[in-house]
Amino acid sequence: ELKVEQNPLFLSMQEGKNYTIYCNYSTTSDRLYWYRQDPGKSLESLFVLLSNGAVKQEGRLMASLDTKARLSTLHITAAVHDLSATYFCAVAPRFGNEKLTFGTGTRLTIIP
Amino acid sequence: EAQVTQNPRYLITVTGKKLTVTCSQNMNHEYMSWYRQDPGLGLRQIYYSMNVEVTDKGDVPEGYKVSRKEKRNFPLILESPSPNQTSLYFCASSPFPGTYEQYFGPGTRLTVT
Repeated sequence: ELKVEQNPLFLSMQEGKNYTIYCNYSTTSDRLYWYRQDPGKSLESLFVLLSNGAVKQEGRLMASLDTKARLSTLHITAAVHDLSATYFCAVAPRFGNEKLTFGTGTRLTIIP
Repeated sequence: EAQVTQNPRYLITVTGKKLTVTCSQNMNHEYMSWYRQDPGLGLRQIYYSMNVEVTDKGDVPEGYKVSRKEKRNFPLILESPSPNQTSLYFCASSPFPGTYEQYFGPGTRLTVT
């Protein structure tokens, strides 16, 4: 059974600082996804990571994937208040099997 | 406007009364999926569909049915709802399974009393 763990669960950080959210998963996977959810809202796709060493960046967010370590990171650079949200990673086992398992989520609060 | 729509957005119902939550996308996407979100349990996949007439179970399919008769629609059916199906439900779609981002609907908040 595929298990996905995110750390930390809660993160409060000051504007301008850098931080990293970690997503570990338990079995071999082809793909890893990152999503953002604002309070009371739906989910928004951020990144799709498809191969070992994949790195994607959008604004102040950068995601990477290490399939050998079964680890993905979401790095936040020079945080700003509007990045406050809950971030989820999700993992699918292999192409052809689209069963997605989500991490628990990291609630990020950026303090001015 | 490209979007995923869900109806109803809010529903309060009683145990055992069959209900359907509709999901529709106007982007000609092949892949569609249903999720539920519960405090403390996070997001869990209920069912997904790779294309018309192709559906498969996610992590928590018990008590739910789906059908995919048309590409644009993927309704979620609760034949006999129970209180433990009280949850926030999201539908999502993607151009093709696997390599593309998913587009999520606005969510349906269901309460079963």
